[in-house]
Amino acid sequence: ILNVEQSPQSLHVQEGDSTNFTCSFPSSNFYALHWYRWETAKSPEALFVMTLNGDEKKKGRISATLNTKEGYSYLYIKGSQPEDSATYLCAFLRDGANNLFFGTGTRLTVIP
Amino acid sequence: DTGVSQDPRHKITKRGQNVTFRCDPISEHNRLYWYRQTLGQGPEFLTYFQNEAQLEKSRLLSDRFSAERPKGSFSTLEIQRTEQGDSAMYLCASSFTSGSPEYFGPGTRLLVL
Repeated sequence: ILNVEQSPQSLHVQEGDSTNFTCSFPSSNFYALHWYRWETAKSPEALFVMTLNGDEKKKGRISATLNTKEGYSYLYIKGSQPEDSATYLCAFLRDGANNLFFGTGTRLTVIP
Repeated sequence: DTGVSQDPRHKITKRGQNVTFRCDPISEHNRLYWYRQTLGQGPEFLTYFQNEAQLEKSRLLSDRFSAERPKGSFSTLEIQRTEQGDSAMYLCASSFTSGSPEYFGPGTRLLVL
């Protein structure tokens, strides 16, 4: 069992605030790091697949960075909106493996 | 809609009964995964198919669980002699290649009474 940890477990922010959360994962045998957004009553939706150390990806107001040497990734949301309220999951893919190891997620609530 | 679909969305059953769930992946995807998610946890891997071949099974998949993917299309997950501890959300996902994003279905929420 691999240790994939996310923090914080949950947070509440005001609409318009920017926020970020952390995913830590094993720094050895790295292949890829995935980020997903899971809104209540919907399917988890892929945000990013990151593979290279130093990688930075952006999708609208959401961006993510990756540090494979120290084993962490940050997800940033700029100017949070109520529709950003969801659970954000990261998942680690080990080199040679077929399945993702998920963290427990960060539950974000954006207050209008 | 050409996304991943799952049926049923909800299932309530009594302990000891058998249940079967179905997943229809995105048609071009040859990889299919089953996960289980319980409250406060992230999805936990159960099993993986490449086309019709079941290539990997988690230790979580006890002998009461069986999964099939006939003809490499839809997949079924059966739980025999259900126990209360089987209550969870069962998620199916599909992908095109290793490392590409996984596309998830809406899940089947199982409650065992």
